[in-house]
Amino acid sequence: QVKLLQSGAALVKPGDSVKMSCKASGYTFTDYIIHWVKQSHGKSLEWIGYINPYSGGTNYNEKFKSKATLTVDKSSSTAYMEFSRLTSEDSAIYYCARGVLRIIAFDYWGQGVMVTVSS
Amino acid sequence: DIVMTQGVLPNPVPSGESASITCRSSKSLVYKDGKTYLNWFLQRPGQSPQLLTYWMSTRASGVSDRFSGSGSGTYFTLKISRVRAEDAGVYYCQQVREYPLTFGSGTKLEIK
Repeated sequence: QVKLLQSGAALVKPGDSVKMSCKASGYTFTDYIIHWVKQSHGKSLEWIGYINPYSGGTNYNEKFKSKATLTVDKSSSTAYMEFSRLTSEDSAIYYCARGVLRIIAFDYWGQGVMVTVSS
Repeated sequence: DIVMTQGVLPNPVPSGESASITCRSSKSLVYKDGKTYLNWFLQRPGQSPQLLTYWMSTRASGVSDRFSGSGSGTYFTLKISRVRAEDAGVYYCQQVREYPLTFGSGTKLEIK
């Protein structure tokens, strides 16, 4: 079955970067795009951007363009998101989700990665 | 960016009753292909969001027919019939008409 397995929780210092992973299984990795979504504590969801594993093409929310970098490793069916110059505002849960281009829907989600930014 | 505004439910809802969750968009979500690009998700406590419907009213695979989406270009409703304890959580609408994709602030459903 389709699964998106994300890396573990991270505790990072202000100003540092964090790189998280999202390993896909149960489907052909290059047939679907991967979205990334931020959920601050007790709050709603924000779309960060997506990457197309087939082409490597990306589409970022302008708000996160200078903050997030999306990449993939097709050989291991893994998507990555690096978040840089972290501040307390970046403390949140980050989800990856599989995107179906035809309907623009997120049909499977990872379990989420909790990132805590603290000195 | 398209702003999504969700309504509040008079919680808790008695088990077996129906509940309607509303969502409004700041711009029409109807695309030139005639489809309305509005998705609904449920996030149960401690879990990742789960896709319920897309194209405003098409249920995702495996989703109960107790969930039904409807609406116009800017006003949408997700109706849950015969609510059960497992329906409790936060419901989000999401517009996918244009980028950046945006979500509503969420509507909490509690079951009595």
